[in-house]
Amino acid sequence: RKEVEQDPGPFNVPEGATVAFNCTYSNSASQSFFWYRQDCRKEPKLLMSVYSSGNEDGRFTAQLNRASQYISLLIRDSKLSDSATYLCVVGTEGFKTIFGAGTRLFVKA
Amino acid sequence: EPEVTQTPSHQVTQMGQEVILRCVPISNHLYFYWYRQILGQKVEFLVSFYNNEISEKSEIFDDQFSVERPDGSNFTLKIRSTKLEDSAMYFCASGRTSNYGYTFGSGTRLTVV
Repeated sequence: RKEVEQDPGPFNVPEGATVAFNCTYSNSASQSFFWYRQDCRKEPKLLMSVYSSGNEDGRFTAQLNRASQYISLLIRDSKLSDSATYLCVVGTEGFKTIFGAGTRLFVKA
Repeated sequence: EPEVTQTPSHQVTQMGQEVILRCVPISNHLYFYWYRQILGQKVEFLVSFYNNEISEKSEIFDDQFSVERPDGSNFTLKIRSTKLEDSAMYFCASGRTSNYGYTFGSGTRLTVV
């Protein structure tokens, strides 16, 4: 089983749609969880940290289920500028972070 | 907004040569990282650095690699005897804490020929 697994997509959605991404991780001792976005040939940029209680930042909502070792990201009212690759990232003890391979999102007009 | 700065943006080197990739982390950050991304592949963790020492390293980070914080502001990655398969984008990142999330630099594209 991969350490961090994501559906590669691509997800092709119209503007205004709601889209959800999922991620699973294998190490039950993982301690920190994040979603990053990466535009083509650019650096990853932190979108949001993910907490057990769930957290929301504008149109973005992230959820963590430690029992199922599952993380999700929901994007509401998709914009053209949301087109990117979304990276699920898990931090283990010892400051090691494992990136998923990413899910590609294309938002169309 | 504070930035992580990496230089050079692109480095071309001959196989077998040594390269040093440089990074200036955000000034009040305490945790520093190097990652690499081979074209078309996922971001891979190389090493984390805290309190002037390596705190964790991956299987990729073997004796060919070393990191240093020579002067309290710069953070360098040295790759000795480069191989063709070392060609990748190398990202530096820094964070205030270990679990808050990190800021990435724009990367150095290393091409080994």
